[in-house]
Amino acid sequence: DAGVIQSPRHEVTEMGQEVTLRCKPISGHNSLFWYRQTMMRGLELLIYFNNNVPIDDSGMPEDRFSAKMPNASFSTLKIQPSEPRDSAVYFCASSPGSGAVIETQYFGPGTRLLVL
Amino acid sequence: GQQLNQSPQSMFIQEGEDVSMNCTSSSIFNTWLWYKQDPGEGPVLLIALYKAGELTSNGRLTAQFGITRKDSFLNISASIPSDVGIYFCAPSDNYGQNFVFGPGTRLSVLP
Repeated sequence: DAGVIQSPRHEVTEMGQEVTLRCKPISGHNSLFWYRQTMMRGLELLIYFNNNVPIDDSGMPEDRFSAKMPNASFSTLKIQPSEPRDSAVYFCASSPGSGAVIETQYFGPGTRLLVL
Repeated sequence: GQQLNQSPQSMFIQEGEDVSMNCTSSSIFNTWLWYKQDPGEGPVLLIALYKAGELTSNGRLTAQFGITRKDSFLNISASIPSDVGIYFCAPSDNYGQNFVFGPGTRLSVLP
């Protein structure tokens, strides 16, 4: 298996622009997670899905952030409008967990976002 | 809210030395996972602990689930340069619905 795939790997954009991050989870995994990592705040869970349904989005910073999972093999995290403080590495992870229990998470390589 | 601390925040050791780090929480957890993040990569699972008092080894790594269920320890023996990275604890409750990553311990290994 190719593992969790994220695109783009790097993104540089200007403040106010829309940013879309993409994730393809490992085939057969039922749960998908979006994280943000910064030096100041560490690794923060933004949202996670189980069977394509958002379960917990309490970590989403504000209305500028939205995430979708239209099918089992694809998810997006959108920031609109972007701000410099959104600069971070965004990780997607997937887990084979059936929903009740979160098992091992497999992380993608991350998208490094820089908002100027 | 729960507090999760990892100690030390960072450490510099000589190649060949043993390493000890721990994770403590203000809440009780039923599962403790330890992840390692290599520079420029996503975290990778190292060890999983599912029972209070459990001691588990994976090669040079040994981890223990504290009896109080509020802490866990990770030891690395005979460190090598590729041990460099950030080590995260990630406990969760019995249903896995409440999980969090610790702030991490950054390990540097000097040749």
